[in-house]
Amino acid sequence: GENVEQHPSTLSVQEGDSAVIKCTYSDSASNYFPWYKQELGKGPQLIIDIRSNVGEKKDQRIAVTLNKTAKHFSLHITETQPEDSAVYFCAASNTGNQFYFGTGTSLTVIP
Amino acid sequence: GAVVSQHPSRVICKSGTSVKIECRSLDFQATTMFWYRQFPKQSLMLMATSNEGSKATYEQGVEKDKFLINHASLTLSTLTVTSAHPEDSSFYICSASAGTAGNTIYFGEGSWLTVV
Repeated sequence: GENVEQHPSTLSVQEGDSAVIKCTYSDSASNYFPWYKQELGKGPQLIIDIRSNVGEKKDQRIAVTLNKTAKHFSLHITETQPEDSAVYFCAASNTGNQFYFGTGTSLTVIP
Repeated sequence: GAVVSQHPSRVICKSGTSVKIECRSLDFQATTMFWYRQFPKQSLMLMATSNEGSKATYEQGVEKDKFLINHASLTLSTLTVTSAHPEDSSFYICSASAGTAGNTIYFGEGSWLTVV
């Protein structure tokens, strides 16, 4: 089955700096890679996603890159703000509609 | 974006009783719904996958007789924790998918269950 690894587990950055979270996956059949932001006591919210036919996708301060050959994808947050502080999860999905989640990254943006 | 509603958001029940959590897709038909359990500071643990009109598929180690899942319609799935015990206290989250093959999934807000 699929194995998704996520690093780092915790990340602290100064406000205004960039944050990068990386995930690797093992199943070459995975073709959809969403990222979720989870605030304390709430359900995860989809913030950006990428499919295997695309190498990069941007949405304002958030971007995701995908390297299919190396089987890794990354979340990039630029100009970080305190409200970006949360736990971020990556996931990989295959054609069977099974989703496999990373272990999460706790991001703290220091004002 | 799509909205998935989960109810109740918090529930406290006595040990030995059962409690039901509802998951509704508000603006799309969810052919597949997923139920997760999350412990503090940990990732989501998939408990079961349910498809409308069929029996749920449970992950290894999840007791299907304890965690009853019903996906009776394309907009509603329920998780019933039967004969709850304090160790069942956790954050339960549902998610819903509109279709097959790599469709986006959307999460509910989660339900805090405390068994006293």
